[in-house]
Amino acid sequence: DTGVSQDPRHKITKRGQNVTFRCDPISEHNRLYWYRQTLGQGPEFLTYFQNEAQLEKSRLLSDRFSAERPKGSFSTLEIQRTEQGDSAMYLCASSLGSAQAFFGQGTRLTVV
Amino acid sequence: GIQVEQSPPDLILQEGANSTLRCNFSDSVNNLQWFHQNPWGQLINLFYIPSGTKQNGRLSATTVATERYSLLYISSSQTTDSGVYFCAGNNNAGNMLTFGGGTRLMVKP
Repeated sequence: DTGVSQDPRHKITKRGQNVTFRCDPISEHNRLYWYRQTLGQGPEFLTYFQNEAQLEKSRLLSDRFSAERPKGSFSTLEIQRTEQGDSAMYLCASSLGSAQAFFGQGTRLTVV
Repeated sequence: GIQVEQSPPDLILQEGANSTLRCNFSDSVNNLQWFHQNPWGQLINLFYIPSGTKQNGRLSATTVATERYSLLYISSSQTTDSGVYFCAGNNNAGNMLTFGGGTRLMVKP
């Protein structure tokens, strides 16, 4: 399977803990995006990378959130000191330049 | 960035019926995509259609870029078409896709 892969698929964590998600894009894609989706809403943009450079961050990305894409391949999204409001589906997508974006299966985070 | 509005927000159909979903955007777009979100949350690509018309089986889409809207047609609907349909677009002001609120479709047998 050469699609976008995300890990883990589900994560339950206690409030205050740190969590890290991983995204492996389609191999030849140079752009990688992170989105967050809460129940009943459309996905909202968090941040995106072109190769290893993080080019844009949403105001939704508080200082507890950090994303990296070392060597321009896979990416990680870390949330520190999780809060109940962080419970959501975290979606990763990749594209070749500004062409069609493809999404992974998402990581569903529940903060208890 | 652009604003994206979808209508209707909810739609209930009898199996076999046809439907049209609409997506309006606030500014011109250079990328417009339609997705179907499956029950497990994954966004499945339906169409990449910044302009023109495309067809794929029972689904087709038309984007009229000059009038800032796109339409998704579902013909002879099946229960497996149920789910949430999103459109998303971007323009030169931003490289990220902006999503609409979705259309929640239920097809009854």
